[in-house]
Amino acid sequence: NAGVTQTPKFQVLKTGQSMTLQCAQDMNHEYMSWYRQDPGMGLRLIHYSVGAGITDQGEVPNGYNVSRSTTEDFPLRLLSAAPSQTSVYFCASSYSQDTSGNTIYFGEGSWLTVV
Amino acid sequence: AQSVTQPDIHITVSEGASLELRCNYSYGATPYLFWYVQSPGQGLQLLLKYFSGDTLVQGIKGFEAEFKRSQSSFNLRKPSVHWSDAAEYFCAVDSNSGGYQKVTFGTGTKLQVIP
Repeated sequence: NAGVTQTPKFQVLKTGQSMTLQCAQDMNHEYMSWYRQDPGMGLRLIHYSVGAGITDQGEVPNGYNVSRSTTEDFPLRLLSAAPSQTSVYFCASSYSQDTSGNTIYFGEGSWLTVV
Repeated sequence: AQSVTQPDIHITVSEGASLELRCNYSYGATPYLFWYVQSPGQGLQLLLKYFSGDTLVQGIKGFEAEFKRSQSSFNLRKPSVHWSDAAEYFCAVDSNSGGYQKVTFGTGTKLQVIP
């Protein structure tokens, strides 16, 4: 089982550039999400999706866009990169959004630097 | 709103010594509680979780955690630490808010193990 796969693992962007972080899961999970991890701040939810065609904002959505056209894929788009978006990004999935206590499965992370 | 506090940013223990990582949560009802571990350069992996019933839960890698409702705590313990346990540990609380899973992570505790 591949689980949750993120690409790229490392990326350097210039301010103002756009890019897409790819995320795919092969566990047929309904719920997918994107977090960013910054030192001393834990993981903060950016956007999430409860199924194909349905997305919603998390705690820190500004500057990011998402879509969910299939159950498997949940890409994260940076529209115009800013240095404040330098972070480690994690894609995650779990079985269902409407049942608490589900284990969240994480990808290995994408290290993004904006210069 | 729910919240999680991990009061210790860094902890250093000697190999073979016992370990306790603290976690306090704030939530109106009985929450679902988790501990995740993150090895350097990796995503997060579930160590254990608590839903209900026995307040002492066993996890992988010899870890256990105890839910104490009166203290709003869910501390993680291990009787004898191994060098491979060096990692960052995250406590998380999951509520079913408005019918949807909602997970909040603590800011993490980084564990250093010395020979």
